[in-house]
Amino acid sequence: QKEVEQDPGPLSVPEGAIVSLNCTYSNSAFQYFMWYRQYSRKGPELLMYTYSSGNKEDGRFTAQVDKSSKYISLFIRDSQPSDSATYLCAMSEAAGNKLTFGGGTRVLVKP
Amino acid sequence: DTGVSQNPRHKITKRGQNVTFRCDPISEHNRLYWYRQTLGQGPEFLTYFQNEAQLEKSRLLSDRFSAERPKGSFSTLEIQRTEQGDSAMYLCASISSDRGIYGYTFGSGTRLTVV
Repeated sequence: QKEVEQDPGPLSVPEGAIVSLNCTYSNSAFQYFMWYRQYSRKGPELLMYTYSSGNKEDGRFTAQVDKSSKYISLFIRDSQPSDSATYLCAMSEAAGNKLTFGGGTRVLVKP
Repeated sequence: DTGVSQNPRHKITKRGQNVTFRCDPISEHNRLYWYRQTLGQGPEFLTYFQNEAQLEKSRLLSDRFSAERPKGSFSTLEIQRTEQGDSAMYLCASISSDRGIYGYTFGSGTRLTVV
């Protein structure tokens, strides 16, 4: 079983809908939780990060971490076709340390 | 600052050949990471350097793989006697250890195809 599990999708939503993504993990030592966006044939790009449990909002993006359940979420409001990409959750035990990624969820926002 | 640069972008090689990839990190970043990503999967950690010292290697990094970071600047990843299972995207990332995750920047990767 992988340390970080993520539904591969694809997740197809109409433009303007809320996109809901999540990951579960097994390593209780993870302290930093991140979401990356990856377009085809590009490297991952950091979208959001959260330290320990809690919520964080940045524009259309909201990240949530529930360490007691080992569950993290990302919500994208007012989704746009340009949000179509693969979304990767990632975690690390300390800032600047190696990242452990989920398998990624492919999202398609239809105009 | 042009970000993390990786070369070549694509490499097609025959099974059994040796290949070498290069990563040029952001100049002030002291940590450099290599990850491997196969189709439909997330990146997997291979190894990392702090300055010129290679501090950790994943069990995924078989004896056919070697990485260097001379003088703590650019890094190379060499795969000897390539196998079809080595086909993947090889990603490099760099970070300044005193900036935490904010500074984690990935390159666009080198896509390796072994035929």
